[in-house]
Amino acid sequence: IVLTQSPATLSLSPGESATLSCRASHSVSSSLAWYQQKPGQAPRLLIYDTSNRATGIPARFSGSGSGTDFTLTISSLEPEDFAVYYCQRRSEPTFGQGTRLEIK
Amino acid sequence: QVQLVESGGGVVQPGRSLRLSCAASGFTFSSYAMHWVRQAPGKGLEWVAVISYVGGNIYYTDSVKGRFTISRDSYKNTLYLQMNSLRPEDTAVYYCAREWYQPPPASYCYYMDVWGKGTTVTVSS
Repeated sequence: IVLTQSPATLSLSPGESATLSCRASHSVSSSLAWYQQKPGQAPRLLIYDTSNRATGIPARFSGSGSGTDFTLTISSLEPEDFAVYYCQRRSEPTFGQGTRLEIK
Repeated sequence: QVQLVESGGGVVQPGRSLRLSCAASGFTFSSYAMHWVRQAPGKGLEWVAVISYVGGNIYYTDSVKGRFTISRDSYKNTLYLQMNSLRPEDTAVYYCAREWYQPPPASYCYYMDVWGKGTTVTVSS
C-alpha cells in the first residue's frame, strides 16, 4: 500500500487552519499515525490510530479519516507548527512522502 | 527522562562497515521493540529494521537485507545496527526509535513514540 500525501507544500499564516491529506492506494483496514519533523530534529509522534493525540500533543492537532482518506488538521497555526508532516499506516513500515507546512 | 542517544556515525568508503549504537535510558528497554529509521539528505523517512523486545522477529527493508544486522543488548540497554558493504545510497541520518508499547503477544504496529536525535552516516570515496 502506497501512502500519498497532499499537498506537497502548504503555505499558510499563523492563526490559520491547516488540512493535510494522506491517501492510501488501497482501502486501509487499520489505522494511521502522523509525525511532525522540524528542521534538524527527529520526527515526533503526533497522532496514533487515526485520531488519538500522543502524550503532550496540543489539542489544536486532530486526526480523522477511514478507508483510503485520512486527514490531519491543525487549527489556529502557531509559529512552531511549521514543519514537515508524515503519515504512516499502522502495521506497515512505510511513510508517506511528507507535506511541508511553510509560513506564507 | 526517556531518552535514546545514537552514536557511531561517520564518513566511510563504499564497501566498508560501520556499527551504530543507540543507548536507551529512562524506560524499561527490555520491554520494547526497537527500530532503525533513516533519512537521506533532503528526503523523507525510510524505515530500515525492527527487532522485538526479546531480540527476535527481526525484519529489514529490502535494500539492506544481507548487509545490515540489527541486534540488542538488554543488559547494556543498547540497540545496534551493524552495516556492512556500505553503498553511497546508504548515506543518511540514522535514527533509532522505540515501538509503541503493546502488551505481548502483539505484532508490530510500527508506530514509533520515542526517537533519538540521529547519527549521520556518509558513504563516499
